[in-house]
Formats: sequence, C-alpha cells, structure tokens
Amino acid sequence: GQQVMQIPQYQHVQEGEDFTTYCNSSTTLSNIQWYKQRPGGHPVFLIQLVKSGEVKKQKRLTFQFGEAKKNSSLHITATQTTDVGTYFCAGRAGGGNKLTFGTGTQLKVEL
Amino acid sequence: DAGVIQSPRHEVTEMGQEVTLRCKPISGHDYLFWYRQTMMRGLELLIYFNNNVPIDDSGMPEDRFSAKMPNASFSTLKIQPSEPRDSAVYFCASSLVSNTEAFFGQGTRLTVV
Repeated sequence: GQQVMQIPQYQHVQEGEDFTTYCNSSTTLSNIQWYKQRPGGHPVFLIQLVKSGEVKKQKRLTFQFGEAKKNSSLHITATQTTDVGTYFCAGRAGGGNKLTFGTGTQLKVEL
Repeated sequence: DAGVIQSPRHEVTEMGQEVTLRCKPISGHDYLFWYRQTMMRGLELLIYFNNNVPIDDSGMPEDRFSAKMPNASFSTLKIQPSEPRDSAVYFCASSLVSNTEAFFGQGTRLTVV
C-alpha cells in the first residue's frame, strides 16, 4: 500500500535557526497537506498543495510540492519556541479520499 | 461549531473487555475518518466513511475492530475483546468534501491493562 516517509524523525534546533522536514511518498499524490501536532494535542491543518512544483508561504513557513508530486518539504525560517511540535505531511493518491499520514518530524526548539 | 467531539477523552480497561469510542463530526461534513496513533506506528488510518457509508476499512487491524456510522452526526469505533496492544490514542476527524482539510477531535487515549 501507499507509504509516506518523513525525514528527519527528530530535529533539535536553537531558537532562530532554520528547520526543514522532507516528505516522500511511494506513489504519486493528487495533493498533499501539512499538519502540526503540539505535544499532547491533535493534528491541526496548516496548508494544502495541489499543483506540481507549487510553493506556498505562511509567514515564516514555506511549503513546496515536488515536480513529480511524490515529495514535499516544509521549511521554517528563524524558528521560535512556538514552533515546537510534530509536523506531518499527509497525501492522497489516485482519485480517492484516503488520507495517508507521513511518519512525522518532531521539532524541539531551545532558547 | 464546537468542532469534532470525541468521548471519552481517556479510557482504561482490562484486557478482554469491550471498548466503544464515540465521535460527533462537524455538522455538514461528508467524510469521517478514524485514526490510531502510537509511537511505533505513527498515525494510521483505520477506516473512513462518506455520507455514513464505509468506503475503505483496509486499515482496520483485525476482526476485533468494528466501526459504524448510523447517521451523519455520530460514529462509533468498537474493540471487542480489547488487548494491551490496542493501547493508543484514537482520533476521529471529519472533512467537508473530498480533498479538503481534515478537522481532528481531541482524541481518546485508550489504555488496556
């Protein structure tokens, strides 16, 4: 079945440093979404990318969808302590609505 | 809207007992998803419904698990009999239409001892 992997699994940064997580799918995706889960919380939607090569920005966050629609990345510029949490990509393949989550990247930010 | 509502928030039960988790999706949402989250396996999709009809249950681990959606505002996930390896956080999520964002409930933390 479809597999979605993310690297790295964990990332420790100092506040102000940049952070990037990469997402790779075993199958071509119709779209990809990104979610953030705070410790003890539930996943919260951040953004959806649909087009090949699409890039979207939300303040310090930059999201990119690969040309082949099999990979994606999330880059955070100048991390803050409020960025702490686990970031998940989630993709749909084919024409269905089955949303498969990636393995997640846990981000810790230290002062 | 109050969002997706799950109950109970925490459940501790003994091995062999039946467990029922409940979910009320956001009103008007056509899709409902059940996920299980563990450290080892991450967020796994168990089953999803469209307009109360189960569409894909390939993620349901085994026959001990069953899910129903008797109407548009209520779904249950039942485990009978429960086992310690079922211990996890179970999330319910709903979305308005296909290919839109999923809204998650607060989750039910299940511990089977």
